[in-house]
Amino acid sequence: GAVVSQHPSRVICKSGTSVKIECRSLDFQATTMFWYRQFPKQSLMLMATSNEGSKATYEQGVEKDKFLINHASLTLSTLTVTSAHPEDSSFYICSAARGDSSYNEQFFGPGTRLTVL
Amino acid sequence: QKEVEQNSGPLSVPEGAIASLNCTYSDRGSQSFFWYRQYSGKSPELIMSIYSNGDKEDGRFTAQLNKASQYVSLLIRDSQPSDSATYLCAVNLNIMDTGRRALTFGSGTRLQVQP
Repeated sequence: GAVVSQHPSRVICKSGTSVKIECRSLDFQATTMFWYRQFPKQSLMLMATSNEGSKATYEQGVEKDKFLINHASLTLSTLTVTSAHPEDSSFYICSAARGDSSYNEQFFGPGTRLTVL
Repeated sequence: QKEVEQNSGPLSVPEGAIASLNCTYSDRGSQSFFWYRQYSGKSPELIMSIYSNGDKEDGRFTAQLNKASQYVSLLIRDSQPSDSATYLCAVNLNIMDTGRRALTFGSGTRLQVQP
């Protein structure tokens, strides 16, 4: 159990376009999902916490109007990178927590590698 | 001081040896601790979680937690070349000025197991 899928796995887009990434918990319900970004040779940085049915909580320095998060159901959260620029190129990874708080284990999706030309 | 600190490595051990990975954290109130393994270009995979002081064993892996010293470690017995990866320590930390807790990752220790 505890499988998280993410789609697409890789995307290349032109500067100024928007990219949508889906994160699904396949065999459990996740009231909380998390979005991370990882630049090469760096650790994961939490971007935002996504709660089903409510607004996402963004970490300091993350623009909520640029990174739109929607958590429409207990198994699906989406991240939309709006008006992407080359500096947004990164590895975006979602995770889902079983249980009702981030005290519980988080299971990661396989990640989406975004390249903005 | 970083909130979750790990030696970046690389830590090189021969096949069959014990690999010891260490992590210190800053928030004395932390209650949840995790070890993740991340292969190059892949997302992290949960190996161990530990919540109480002492040792927790799962197969070849043993996590050790000492809350008084704010220290958590991971031992890998009978190390295999397939264990070569970056090991991330993650701690549920208090985010300053927010009243929230969130999983905070160390920068990871790269482990190389030599055949």
